[in-house]
Amino acid sequence: QKEVEQDPGPLSVPEGAIVSLNCTYSNSAFQYFMWYRQYSRKGPELLMYTYSSGNKEDGRFTAQVDKSSKYISLFIRDSQPSDSATYLCAMMGYGGSQGNLIFGKGTKLSVKP
Amino acid sequence: EAGVTQSPTHLIKTRGQQVTLRCSPISGHTSVYWYQQALGLGLQFLLWYDEGEERNRGNFPPRFSGRQFPNYSSELNVNALELEDSALYLCASSLTPGGADYGYTFGSGTRLTVV
Repeated sequence: QKEVEQDPGPLSVPEGAIVSLNCTYSNSAFQYFMWYRQYSRKGPELLMYTYSSGNKEDGRFTAQVDKSSKYISLFIRDSQPSDSATYLCAMMGYGGSQGNLIFGKGTKLSVKP
Repeated sequence: EAGVTQSPTHLIKTRGQQVTLRCSPISGHTSVYWYQQALGLGLQFLLWYDEGEERNRGNFPPRFSGRQFPNYSSELNVNALELEDSALYLCASSLTPGGADYGYTFGSGTRLTVV
């Protein structure tokens, strides 16, 4: 079983839709959860950061962590064509002492005008 | 503030050759991380350097190596290149060692093609 599972998509939605992206994980030591956005031929860009369980909102983006289910989500409201990118979940544990951020394979999102 | 910079942006090498990739972290960041992003495999952790020392290493053969200089810049060296080494190599840096507090900031990567 891989440590982090993420549906690769592709996911295609119309402009204005609510997008839900999800990851599951197996390592109960994970405490820090992040979402990165990666445009084609670019490096990943940090979107959201959450420590432990709970919700975090930033503009049109909401990140949720459910540690009891080992499940994290990213919601995008009022999606825009500029949101078209690959979204990567990432997580780490042990206080970062291993310096090893574990990534999902990414979900490719396309928002159609 | 300048971000993480990597050079070169692209290069093509022949199987069996050696390559060196370079990375400059954000000013004030002491930790540098290297990742490989091969098609279909996602981001795979290669190496973590902090304060000039190798702190952790991913599941890659010894022909992948690197170092960190006193100014915190870093090099990734790959010897005896194989076709499957073709990938985007990403460098990241973090404000705190391990990056748990604020995550990593990535550069745009070096795309390596091995023919």
